[in-house]
Amino acid sequence: DTGVSQDPRHKITKRGQNVTFRCDPISEHNRLYWYRQTLGQGPEFLTYFQNEAQLEKSRLLSDRFSAERPKGSFSTLEIQRTEQGDSAMYLCASGGEPPGRLFFGSGTQLSVL
Amino acid sequence: AQTVTQSQPEMSVQEAETVTLSCTYDTSESDYYLFWYKQPPSRQMILVIRQEAYKQQNATENRFSVNFQKAAKSFSLKISDSQLGDAAMYFCAIQGGSEKLVFGKGTKLTVNP
Repeated sequence: DTGVSQDPRHKITKRGQNVTFRCDPISEHNRLYWYRQTLGQGPEFLTYFQNEAQLEKSRLLSDRFSAERPKGSFSTLEIQRTEQGDSAMYLCASGGEPPGRLFFGSGTQLSVL
Repeated sequence: AQTVTQSQPEMSVQEAETVTLSCTYDTSESDYYLFWYKQPPSRQMILVIRQEAYKQQNATENRFSVNFQKAAKSFSLKISDSQLGDAAMYFCAIQGGSEKLVFGKGTKLTVNP
């Protein structure tokens, strides 16, 4: 169990640019989640994968956001045409059993200038 | 829709004392789980304690225990013998009907030496 790792830890980009984040979950976990956290708020759910299938998406996940989990291993979250409102911490978590016991990564802090 | 309310933005406690963090929730699901997660300055969310709604017995994990009042939709966290390492943001969360966890806005706990 090496934990959930996220890359990069920080990303600064200009408005309109595309960014991609990577998450490597705990290897034996089949569930993978993306959350977004802004200052002073709790994490907000974005999307959920069971193995390689994206089974649940939040309405927060606009068409500029896309997430993939090829082969049910690592996952990527891409944001196209970034806006200042996208500035936030993007958290990845993975889970096995029991339900709800999630292991979080340290997050990617995105700043859109 | 499920909601979680944490009415205490900040709390403080003296080292070795006991503190209780409040959480209320709302859900239409009959089967759900409740959680307390801790987020230290390092940013990594860590599960503190988990409660299955169908269990009447309150969950306990070492110095951490909950007071689960199902009829009142209340789920408070008690930390006994507080330690400096307990200082963090604490988030209450609910999961029911889907894989999504819904978090409250958090309570910042300060532990004074």
